[in-house]
Amino acid sequence: DAMVIQNPRYQVTQFGKPVTLSCSQTLNHNVMYWYQQKSSQAPKLLFHYYDKDFNNEADTPDNFQSRRPNTSFCFLDIRSPGLGDAAMYLCATSRDRGQDEKLFFGSGTQLSVL
Amino acid sequence: GDSVTQMEGPVTLSEEAFLTINCTYTATGYPSLFWYVQYPGEGLQLLLKATKADDKGSNKGFEATYRKETTSFHLEKGSVQVSDSAVYFCATSGAGGYNKLIFGAGTRLAVHP
Repeated sequence: DAMVIQNPRYQVTQFGKPVTLSCSQTLNHNVMYWYQQKSSQAPKLLFHYYDKDFNNEADTPDNFQSRRPNTSFCFLDIRSPGLGDAAMYLCATSRDRGQDEKLFFGSGTQLSVL
Repeated sequence: GDSVTQMEGPVTLSEEAFLTINCTYTATGYPSLFWYVQYPGEGLQLLLKATKADDKGSNKGFEATYRKETTSFHLEKGSVQVSDSAVYFCATSGAGGYNKLIFGAGTRLAVHP
């Protein structure tokens, strides 16, 4: 039944050690998004893919990268995690990217940086 | 830039009480407005939306009206249930030609029997 699946649910990494978070979808949606949500704060958009077209937000640090090898999968790579990168990372999809589009979210990956 | 402000939680209510969660926004152009809900251990899911001024979104007994004059989109429910306990996020579609959701910080609702 799950439509947007994020693995793992919890991820622990070390300061400066690269980490990859995964997202897959069974909806065949064109758009995939990555949001960062720090404790008690609003989710913040990092970037999105519209099909194969990557769209970075202006204030997303270079430390964050993404890959979308096919329609179903999208990865978030953090090249050198800092303590400030500890957060919940949310993957979402939408059929298209008009402003009325409904987003479908995964359950998130909680990242801890030691 | 675009932003959303919603009332801080937690909001604690007894079952069958009336619920209001306030939300105001700043946005350029003519945004769409949304309420998303996150139940424990689950992802955010769309609760309701409104796409133009004076539209009312409704779902599962929840309602919100797009008020352009007060830039507000307050969430209401006449009689809450224990199963409504969750975190509620107000959001606006941002500028940029795509659905870049700008979220508020979320309001936790706890309903007690």
